[in-house]
Amino acid sequence: DIQMTQSPSFLSASVGDRVTINCKASQNINRYLNWYQQKLGEAPKLLIYNANSLQTGIPSRFSGSGSGTDFTLTISSLQPEDVATYFCLQHNSWPYTFGAGTKLELK
Amino acid sequence: QVQLQQSGAELVKPGSSVKISCKASGYTFTSYDMHWIKQQPGNGLEWIGWIYPGNGNTKYNQKFNGKATLTADKSSSTAYMQLSSLTSEDSAVYFCARGYFDFWGPGTMVTVSS
Repeated sequence: DIQMTQSPSFLSASVGDRVTINCKASQNINRYLNWYQQKLGEAPKLLIYNANSLQTGIPSRFSGSGSGTDFTLTISSLQPEDVATYFCLQHNSWPYTFGAGTKLELK
Repeated sequence: QVQLQQSGAELVKPGSSVKISCKASGYTFTSYDMHWIKQQPGNGLEWIGWIYPGNGNTKYNQKFNGKATLTADKSSSTAYMQLSSLTSEDSAVYFCARGYFDFWGPGTMVTVSS
């Protein structure tokens, strides 16, 4: 199985900060990497698909980069509504696997 | 708009089975895989498998072979997941998600307790 190592596990930042979250795959997954935002008690919301494509309706402050084994989600200017848990998903190879998540809080 | 509506929370006894549903609307049900995902606090997310409602083909995470059975009813645009021989390890929230993992259902909480 492909292991997805996500970092950091916890992140505290201020409104307006630039925030980066990383996922590292244990083997090449090309660009088959999605990023999600999940708020407490809600379903995950797709932010970025195929490493760098912004899902329709998602604010442009969210962006994704990377290919192969190393991927990054960036929030260019943190907003209060961005407080949530973020996780990655690789859909290159079965079984599909997820990162463990990054809990983002406001400082 | 795409919507996935899941069945309500279940409280079930150890050793029993449970069948949860995911009713799709707003797109052609038979044209997209339907994935099922398990989420436990502290254990993150696990992909269980997918079913292609167009022909009933399935693919399972080996870890869930024998635990989960995926089916789909084209007439009602509803996907189902049956979990069998339930233990406390199966207590979790279970999500369905459309083929590209772009739309997710709200989740169904399954609690296994005597």
